[in-house]
Amino acid sequence: QQQVKQSPQSLIVQKGGISIINCAYENTAFDYFPWYQQFPGKGPALLIAIRPDVSEKKEGRFTISFNKSAKQFSLHIMDSQPGDSATYFCAASFDGGSQGNLIFGKGTKLSVKP
Amino acid sequence: DSGVTQTPKHLITATGQRVTLRCSPRSGDLSVYWYQQSLDQGLQFLIQYYNGEERAKGNILERFSAQQFPDLHSELNLSSLELGDSALYFCASSVFAATSEKLFFGSGTQLSVL
Repeated sequence: QQQVKQSPQSLIVQKGGISIINCAYENTAFDYFPWYQQFPGKGPALLIAIRPDVSEKKEGRFTISFNKSAKQFSLHIMDSQPGDSATYFCAASFDGGSQGNLIFGKGTKLSVKP
Repeated sequence: DSGVTQTPKHLITATGQRVTLRCSPRSGDLSVYWYQQSLDQGLQFLIQYYNGEERAKGNILERFSAQQFPDLHSELNLSSLELGDSALYFCASSVFAATSEKLFFGSGTQLSVL
């Protein structure tokens, strides 16, 4: 119930294309769903996040789509650029009490070809 | 630059040894989290401190311990090291206590146990 399952493991997209990464969760108590971006040699950096009271959130070329009934959420990267090549992690957590920590998916390595 | 400082960047040691990893959170952040990243397990939450007190515990081994000092920096102590402890250890900080929002990660310490 604590797992967050992420797919695909790796993704190759042409420059200008749309990158889509999917995540699924089981625990309905989760109420915070962030996406992190990690470049080699760096720590994960918060990209965009959503709460389950909205179905979509957009920030620039990055969009989270959230489906509460299916317990799934996804990251869409529009007009993908070579600079977007990185590993992306979805995560989930629930606030309050002693559970303020993130449970991460296994990551998706994105390569954007010029 | 996230503002979270981790030292050392790399650490090579032998089995059975003890090491200490250090983390300085962003200015003003009271929460410090420790995560372990390995190829097979992904990013795993170890432990959280808030303003000097332990607040949440994850998959942290009994051989591992942590503390947060009055100046808010934190140290993760790993003892009786095994080959399987080789991993990237991240510290993250946040101004919040009970939510994972606005979590900022350091660049990590790469631990190699030979």
